Amino acid sequence: GAVVSQHPSRVICKSGTSVKIECRSLDFQATTMFWYRQFPKKSLMLMATSNEGSKATYEQGVEKDKFLINHASLTLSTLTVTSAHPEDSSFYICSAKGWTSGTEQFFGPGTRLTVL
Amino acid sequence: AQSVSQHNHHVILSEAASLELGCNYSYGGTVNLFWYVQYPGQHLQLLLKYFSGDPLVKGIKGFEAEFIKSKFSFNLRKPSVQWSDTAEYFCAVNPQNSGNTPLVFGKGTRLSVIA
Repeated sequence: GAVVSQHPSRVICKSGTSVKIECRSLDFQATTMFWYRQFPKKSLMLMATSNEGSKATYEQGVEKDKFLINHASLTLSTLTVTSAHPEDSSFYICSAKGWTSGTEQFFGPGTRLTVL
Repeated sequence: AQSVSQHNHHVILSEAASLELGCNYSYGGTVNLFWYVQYPGQHLQLLLKYFSGDPLVKGIKGFEAEFIKSKFSFNLRKPSVQWSDTAEYFCAVNPQNSGNTPLVFGKGTRLSVIA
């Protein structure tokens, strides 16, 4: 099956610093990657959709200058949380789909970000 | 805009009890429907999906779901739960032929199975 990895799995940082989270499709080419945020006891909230080689499309209310998304290759997308604050602490999950997966998305294991 | 509602926030069952988790969606067109499971400390995994055809879909680990178009529902069922089914369950939907439209998730239902 299709495998999506995320790195790091956990990160703790100080307020004001930037954190980069990587999402990789290991055995398929991901033409589209999605970034979600999951709050405790709540559903996954879509943050942005990124297509390889083009700018990400952000959902309403998501600050594009704070959550920088890069999808430079067919196997890698990165989410950078800039000038992180404690309210950015959350569980960030990426998913990916490729040409052959149809509408099915494959999810990464998530990254737990804690901002002190 | 699409939305998905899961009626139960937390369900507690004894082992061997039958399970039914409700899921309703709102969307005027044809949709793809999914159920995902998230075991404690693990990532989302696809349980089953419905695109077309037989509205009764069978997934992994003995789960099944029935699409009832008239009720806009896609309830998840399992005849006899096990302790290992303890997890968070998410219903999700996206329009058919949607290209890169992302999934819209329900808020999830936590299932706790006790011995």
